[in-house]
Amino acid sequence: DVKVTQSSRYLVKRTGEKVFLECVQDMDHENMFWYRQDPGLGLRLIYFSYDVKMKEKGDIPEGYSVSREKKERFSLILESASTNQTSMYLCASSQGTHNSPLHFGNGTRLTVT
Amino acid sequence: QKEVEQNSGPLSVPEGAIASLNCTYSDRGSQSFFWYRQYSGKSPELIMFIYSNGDKEDGRFTAQLNKASQYVSLLIRDSQPSDSATYLCAVLGSSASKIIFGSGTRLSIRP
Repeated sequence: DVKVTQSSRYLVKRTGEKVFLECVQDMDHENMFWYRQDPGLGLRLIYFSYDVKMKEKGDIPEGYSVSREKKERFSLILESASTNQTSMYLCASSQGTHNSPLHFGNGTRLTVT
Repeated sequence: QKEVEQNSGPLSVPEGAIASLNCTYSDRGSQSFFWYRQYSGKSPELIMFIYSNGDKEDGRFTAQLNKASQYVSLLIRDSQPSDSATYLCAVLGSSASKIIFGSGTRLSIRP
């Protein structure tokens, strides 16, 4: 089974802090994604990556950056956390074929106070 | 118009009945379609995917795709209380660069 592991289940950070969310997958997947999920808004794509050191903006990249130095690891960075970034963050990975389904990690619930 | 639309529900279905979940999408060139189930506080898990027009069955689940009508549905036969969850429809658009999710339909199976 595909395993996508997110480093933290719950995080509480202060406004202005720099926040790192880590995600590791063990199936040699080419593609990795970061989503946030909010009530009534569904899943929204923040950033995605199709290869090491490659990244593309999703629908809501403002206030976020990403890093993919190794194939198995995709990090989401909140440069200066704000209260409107309080959310559930979900990492996902998929194989290189364009029609492959996403496999999700358990999620990180981030609260910014 | 949202790219992927679902009725938010809640949809209430008696145990043992058929639950029917619907999804429409705006990109006529969309290629792949996925159904995910998400329990409260958990991450989405893949139930089924479908690429071609028609029906695809897997156990109690049937996915139906009609590309001409830009419509995809999920049928759950013999509904069980454990099927109570939010069901997310996801679509890979014609650009094939990313998967777009609907906001989900909350399904409740009543005993």
